Amino acid sequence: NAGVTQTPKFQVLKTGQSMTLQCAQDMNHEYMSWYRQDPGMGLRLIHYSVGAGITDQGEVPNGYNVSRSTTEDFPLRLLSAAPSQTSVYFCASSRTSYNEQFFGPGTRLTVL
Amino acid sequence: AQTVTQSQPEMSVQEAETVTLSCTYDTSESDYYLFWYKQPPSRQMILVIRQEAYKQQNATENRFSVNFQKAAKSFSLKISDSQLGDAAMYFCAYRSASGTGNQFYFGTGTSLTVIP
Repeated sequence: NAGVTQTPKFQVLKTGQSMTLQCAQDMNHEYMSWYRQDPGMGLRLIHYSVGAGITDQGEVPNGYNVSRSTTEDFPLRLLSAAPSQTSVYFCASSRTSYNEQFFGPGTRLTVL
Repeated sequence: AQTVTQSQPEMSVQEAETVTLSCTYDTSESDYYLFWYKQPPSRQMILVIRQEAYKQQNATENRFSVNFQKAAKSFSLKISDSQLGDAAMYFCAYRSASGTGNQFYFGTGTSLTVIP
């Protein structure tokens, strides 16, 4: 099992550009989440999904879109990148709502 | 929303000694789960230990153990016989056991340095 994979590992964008962060898991987990990690703020939930076709907002959803067309994939879209979106982004999955989450290796995004 | 507080931004410990990392949380729920995650410089988040709120017995995983005080809403992590590989950022996390949401709440982390 590859677990949770994320691409790319690093990305630099200019303000106003759009891009998609990819996330995939091969553990047949129903629950998937996107977090951003900023210094001194821990991890904050952006969006999450409890199954294919079902998504919901987390704590900091503005500026991001998600979709879940398959169990395996959960891409995060930045619609119009802003410097405030400079962060490390983590994707995570879990089998149920009360199991621990497994994290991907993260994507470091810089918006100039 | 639940909040998780880690009041120690940085801690240090001598190799082979014991260190305790603090975590408190605020919730009105009676059933939930608590976790400690480790994040080494590689950035990968690794589960260290998990505690179910309905269990009175403290969880233990090898050199890692917790002191779970439900009434005080406290969930500290004890690392015994500290090793150089334990140096990392440690995050405490809370997850509700009710509903179908997927919300984990993380603390701001404690950076642990292990001194040789």
